[in-house]
Amino acid sequence: KAGVTQTPRYLIKTRGQQVTLSCSPISGHRSVSWYQQTPGQGLQFLFEYFSETQRNKGNFPGRFSGRQFSNSRSEMNVSTLELGDSALYLCASSLAGRQNSPLHFGNGTRLTVT
Amino acid sequence: AQSVSQHNHHVILSEAASLELGCNYSYGGTVNLFWYVQYPGQHLQLLLKYFSGDPLVKGIKGFEAEFIKSKFSFNLRKPSVQWSDTAEYFCAVNAASGGSYIPTFGRGTSLIVHP
Repeated sequence: KAGVTQTPRYLIKTRGQQVTLSCSPISGHRSVSWYQQTPGQGLQFLFEYFSETQRNKGNFPGRFSGRQFSNSRSEMNVSTLELGDSALYLCASSLAGRQNSPLHFGNGTRLTVT
Repeated sequence: AQSVSQHNHHVILSEAASLELGCNYSYGGTVNLFWYVQYPGQHLQLLLKYFSGDPLVKGIKGFEAEFIKSKFSFNLRKPSVQWSDTAEYFCAVNAASGGSYIPTFGRGTSLIVHP
């Protein structure tokens, strides 16, 4: 079974631009969640989607948004990029999105904002 | 809001030494607890998990963790580490939130094992 696939692997953008990241979950997984990983803050939860509905959202500004398609693939969008948005963005999927469901992570998208 | 604290940010050990990584969480309700590991150049993967039952859980590669409810702790242990255990370790808590859950991660512990 293929794992979680994130594209692109690397992105370089300038301040003020917007960016869209993509995540394809493991086949059959209906829950997709997104995280921002930085050396100082560790992994911070952005949001989680299940069956195309956002179920939970972390403490990030409205510039961070996402969506999930009917095939469970998900996209994350960041508008008006700031230098502080430079980070590794991780996507994770789980089978049923339950509280006891382990997460399966992708390799991440490394975003650098200059 | 729930939080997860990992007390050791950097740990350096020699092979065959024993390991214990601390993890404490703050949440009064039902929690599900996880340890994830990120080996150099690889993606995060599950090491072990606790849902209910025996508070001592065993994971892959000889790791185990003990859930102590009264201390809100879920410490990770391994009796004898190997060079290949060099990695970053993350403790995570899934706390119930309005019919769903919010996953919260600790900041991670970087473990370096010298051969």
